[in-house]
Amino acid sequence: DAGITQSPRHKVTETGTPVTLRCHQTENHRYMYWYRQDPGHGLRLIHYSYGVKDTDKGEVSDGYSVSRSKTEDFLLTLESATSSQTSVYFCGTGLGSSPLHFGNGTRLTVT
Amino acid sequence: DAKTTQPPSMDCAEGRAANLPCNHSTISGNEYVYWYRQIHSQGPQYIIHGLKNNETNEMASLIITEDRKSSTLILPHATLRDTAVYYCIVRVDPGNFNKFYFGSGTKLNVKP
Repeated sequence: DAGITQSPRHKVTETGTPVTLRCHQTENHRYMYWYRQDPGHGLRLIHYSYGVKDTDKGEVSDGYSVSRSKTEDFLLTLESATSSQTSVYFCGTGLGSSPLHFGNGTRLTVT
Repeated sequence: DAKTTQPPSMDCAEGRAANLPCNHSTISGNEYVYWYRQIHSQGPQYIIHGLKNNETNEMASLIITEDRKSSTLILPHATLRDTAVYYCIVRVDPGNFNKFYFGSGTKLNVKP
């Protein structure tokens, strides 16, 4: 949907290792978002971006950083992965007041 | 935290209308109500949104009460493929930032 590609789709990593997830969009949307989803919860906002190099924290940002050097790419980095960051990560994009569209997610397992 | 309340689950017979309620008693005058659904482990899919008037599109209808404290999503003829988790979201919009906060949603089970 909305030309959103998340990579990788699945990843298993060890505690303490750095991990970077990528969201790529082809729609030239200004706004991009990273959410995580855990069992029994809806999506929770980690970080969002409102333009190139413009980012801000969401409700569960601890342990995560983001970067947006190009309009089409929004990277989510776990500097030192922990087991509590095992989750499914969704990227969303949007234009101003328009609805968000989401990618199909990245399933991350931290062992 | 999400500013909406939804029942955790509902059942609906195939071919019948599914009516999913949502309470948003603290909604502000300039906040929209959005509905999304999530099938299996896919990304959430946009369904419909509205401010104060009822809305209809090819997927569903949205009925918002006059006081805007609650709304109902209506799937007019539910099919098995409509089985999903449905999220009602009040858009928090500081400035031009379109942040969406999701709650736990309603799991709709459409049964044959």
